[in-house]
Amino acid sequence: GENVEQHPSTLSVQEGDSAVIKCTYSDSASNYFPWYKQELGKRPQLIIDIRSNVGEKKDQRIAVTLNKTAKHFSLHITETQPEDSAVYFCAASIGNNDMRFGAGTRLTVKP
Amino acid sequence: ETGVTQTPRHLVMGMTNKKSLKCEQHLGHNAMYWYKQSAKKPLELMFVYSLEERVENNSVPSRFSPECPNSSHLFLHLHTLQPEDSALYLCASSLKASGGSANTGELFFGEGSRLTVL
Repeated sequence: GENVEQHPSTLSVQEGDSAVIKCTYSDSASNYFPWYKQELGKRPQLIIDIRSNVGEKKDQRIAVTLNKTAKHFSLHITETQPEDSAVYFCAASIGNNDMRFGAGTRLTVKP
Repeated sequence: ETGVTQTPRHLVMGMTNKKSLKCEQHLGHNAMYWYKQSAKKPLELMFVYSLEERVENNSVPSRFSPECPNSSHLFLHLHTLQPEDSALYLCASSLKASGGSANTGELFFGEGSRLTVL
């Protein structure tokens, strides 16, 4: 089955700096890679996703890149703000079957 | 509010108790999931009900028993749990096309049920 590794487990940045979270996956058949944000005490919510037919996707301050050859994908947050502080989870799946999540990255943005 | 409601939000139970977690979705989705969230561990997929078929997860102990009476409701029955089962249990739903392979991709999560086993 799929195995997803996520790094780092914690990340602290100064407001305005960029943050990068990286994930690797093991199953080359995986074709869907979402990122979820979970604020303290709240449910995980999808913030961006990418499918295997594209290499990069951007939505305002958030971008995701995918390297299928190396089987890794990354989340990039630019101009970070305190409200970006949360736990971020990457995931990988074949379609939406058996979606496997990374262990999460706790991002802290210091004002 | 994402349209996925879980009850109870908090549950404390002894190891000999029997309790159930409930999940309800009002999004018209046809797949529902139970995930276990423990500190510093990945979200663990426990069970999937997809297009009215249950996908088994052989790694989940039999003291957890799911029930999906229809596409809008999902239960997790708990019996003789262990302290290490204490965690946040998240329900999610998604929309799958016929055949189960193509879908919107997005999981909509509930707020979770925080379970403490004494």
